[in-house]
Amino acid sequence: LAKTTQPISMDSYEGQEVNITCSHNNIATNDYITWYQQFPSQGPRFIIQGYKTKVTNEVASLFIPADRKSSTLSLPRVSLSDTAVYYCLVGARVDNYGQNFVFGPGTRLSVLP
Amino acid sequence: NAGVTQTPKFRILKIGQSMTLQCTQDMNHNYMYWYRQDPGMGLKLIYYSVGAGITDKGEVPNGYNVSRSTTEDFPLRLELAAPSQTSVYFCASIPWGAAPRETQYFGPGTRLLVL
Repeated sequence: LAKTTQPISMDSYEGQEVNITCSHNNIATNDYITWYQQFPSQGPRFIIQGYKTKVTNEVASLFIPADRKSSTLSLPRVSLSDTAVYYCLVGARVDNYGQNFVFGPGTRLSVLP
Repeated sequence: NAGVTQTPKFRILKIGQSMTLQCTQDMNHNYMYWYRQDPGMGLKLIYYSVGAGITDKGEVPNGYNVSRSTTEDFPLRLELAAPSQTSVYFCASIPWGAAPRETQYFGPGTRLLVL
């Protein structure tokens, strides 16, 4: 299982762009990179997922360099409601032998007014 | 679809008591997971199941047991509650044969306090 490393916490102000970087040096060929968001007293929810290069959806962008040893979640123009913990996961292939996701401590993002 | 549901939402246990945390999903997902999350920490995998009748240990299985008699239900059993099991418990599911791009669906969590 690929281990991930993220900053423990980050502060930002409303309207700014926030970039959270995750390191995953031993990522495997079949692994995808997935980011989840968790608000207090709630379960994590999916934000974005990618394999290589850049992925963008209505919520965020995910940048993955060619060597795939790191990835950067980009949140454009954050608001107070983006205050949450963000988790980077590197997932192995789902098959008959099961699946095992490893959540790190995540990055606690605080958006200030 | 209700998605992943968990009961109860909150429970206080005395040391040594037992209880079962219920998890049900109505999405016909084969894979189901139990995590615990201690205050200010990430999620740790307790047990997971790849289908009815098949379960396996995760990172922190001690003090817990699971069963999977149906596709829909994946209960987590605490036999002798200890203060160290005070945590928030999340259940999650994912469909079988999912490509790596499939994501997990999480329940709302059960907050457990052992005194």
